[in-house]
Amino acid sequence: AQSVTQLDSQVPVFEEAPVELRCNYSSSVSVYLFWYVQYPNQGLQLLLKYLSGSTLVKGINGFEAEFNKSQTSFHLRKPSVHISDTAEYFCAVSDPSGAQKLVFGQGTRLTINP
Amino acid sequence: DAGVIQSPRHEVTEMGQEVTLRCKPISGHDYLFWYRQTMMRGLELLIYFNNNVPIDDSGMPEDRFSAKMPNASFSTLKIQPSEPRDSAVYFCASSLGYDHEQYFGPGTRLTVT
Repeated sequence: AQSVTQLDSQVPVFEEAPVELRCNYSSSVSVYLFWYVQYPNQGLQLLLKYLSGSTLVKGINGFEAEFNKSQTSFHLRKPSVHISDTAEYFCAVSDPSGAQKLVFGQGTRLTINP
Repeated sequence: DAGVIQSPRHEVTEMGQEVTLRCKPISGHDYLFWYRQTMMRGLELLIYFNNNVPIDDSGMPEDRFSAKMPNASFSTLKIQPSEPRDSAVYFCASSLGYDHEQYFGPGTRLTVT
């Protein structure tokens, strides 16, 4: 069975500072990996996804993530955050050859302080 | 496309009443998912459909919950009778299936008093 661990439940950073949100997964097979963002009182929106190919994936709003198979990680990064990045971020994994469902982590609440 | 549409956006009901949540997936998508989100339990998958057929309902909490998808453009999640512990935000999502990317609706915030 697959599982996802988001190591930090809350991450406070100052505006214009860099940020890294950590995600580790457990799977015995190859994986698809996703990062979703949830702004207050909204649904989840896809930030980026890794299906295959280049391990560095670029997404919307200046975010990027790197797939590291040996460390089973898919950490999300942004070099300079803005107040508008305040949201909850979810990492998710699925089995490319298996069921369609995504397994989500518990989420990381990113708070940007001025 | 309008995206995934859910109604109502907010629902307040009394314990024991029947509640029906509605979802219209993105046109052409062949998978539909129902999730529940709470502070305590996070995001939980309740059930999902492929081509209108339920594939996995192992996340449905108990017999009080039921879901249907009578056609490719409509699904319902029903709770009967409702209880205060059912208070949560319920999300519907749909996908095309080939890359597992799911598109989420805005959610229905359910409060059972």
